[in-house]
Amino acid sequence: DAGVIQSPRHEVTEMGQEVTLRCKPISGHDYLFWYRQTMMRGLELLIYFNNNVPIDDSGMPEDRFSAKMPNASFSTLKIQPSEPRDSAVYFCASSFREGGEAFFGQGTRLTVV
Amino acid sequence: AQSVTQLGSHVSVSEGALVLLRCNYSSSVPPYLFWYVQYPNQGLQLLLKYTSAATLVKGINGFEAEFKKSETSFHLTKPSAHMSDAAEYFCAVSESGANSKLTFGKGITLSVRP
Repeated sequence: DAGVIQSPRHEVTEMGQEVTLRCKPISGHDYLFWYRQTMMRGLELLIYFNNNVPIDDSGMPEDRFSAKMPNASFSTLKIQPSEPRDSAVYFCASSFREGGEAFFGQGTRLTVV
Repeated sequence: AQSVTQLGSHVSVSEGALVLLRCNYSSSVPPYLFWYVQYPNQGLQLLLKYTSAATLVKGINGFEAEFKKSETSFHLTKPSAHMSDAAEYFCAVSESGANSKLTFGKGITLSVRP
C-alpha cells in the first residue's frame, strides 16, 4: 500500500478564499484523523471518523472548518473563508482498529496570506 | 480525559551518548502509549508502542521505552545517539475502548552534536 496520501503538499492562498485539503487513507483502515500542527500549539486533533462517520469534531476551531468522508477511501477538510491564522501543516492519519497506531500522511503545508 | 506531558522542548546530546526523552501520561483507563518521530518536512512515523503486553517495548532504530504504571511514565531511551536521530519526538496516548483517539504531547526536538 502507498500509505496515507494527502494533496496538495503545499497550498498558498489569499485570505478569504476557500481551501480544500484531501486525504486518501490506507485501504482497510476504519479510522481517519485530521490533525493540525503549528509551532505555538503543537499537534491538535481536529476531527476523526470511524467507518466514515464523524465521531468527535470538538477540535474543529470554528464553523469555517468542515470535514467530510463520503466513502472509505476519501476525506476532505475545507476551510471557508480562510484566514492567516489558519496557516499550519495539516496531517491526515488512519488506523485499522481502536487503540491502534495511526499512520500519517506527508502533510499539507497551508499558507494563507 | 487523557493527556500527555513532555517536559522541555529541546534536548541536546553528543553522538554516542545516551538519549532519554521523558513522557508522562494521564488516563482514566488502561492506556495505549506510542512514540512517534518526525523528520523535517515529513509526517510522523511510529517508533514503538505499548498495548498492555510487555512493559519494556523495543522499537525501530535502537529505541526502547518502559511503561511504568506507578509513575505514569513512558520514557524513551537509546543507549548511543547517532547523528541521524536528530528529529522531533512525540509521545502519544490513546485509551482502550471503542472510538479512542490519539492525544499527542507537545514534542521534543533532539539535537545530536558530533
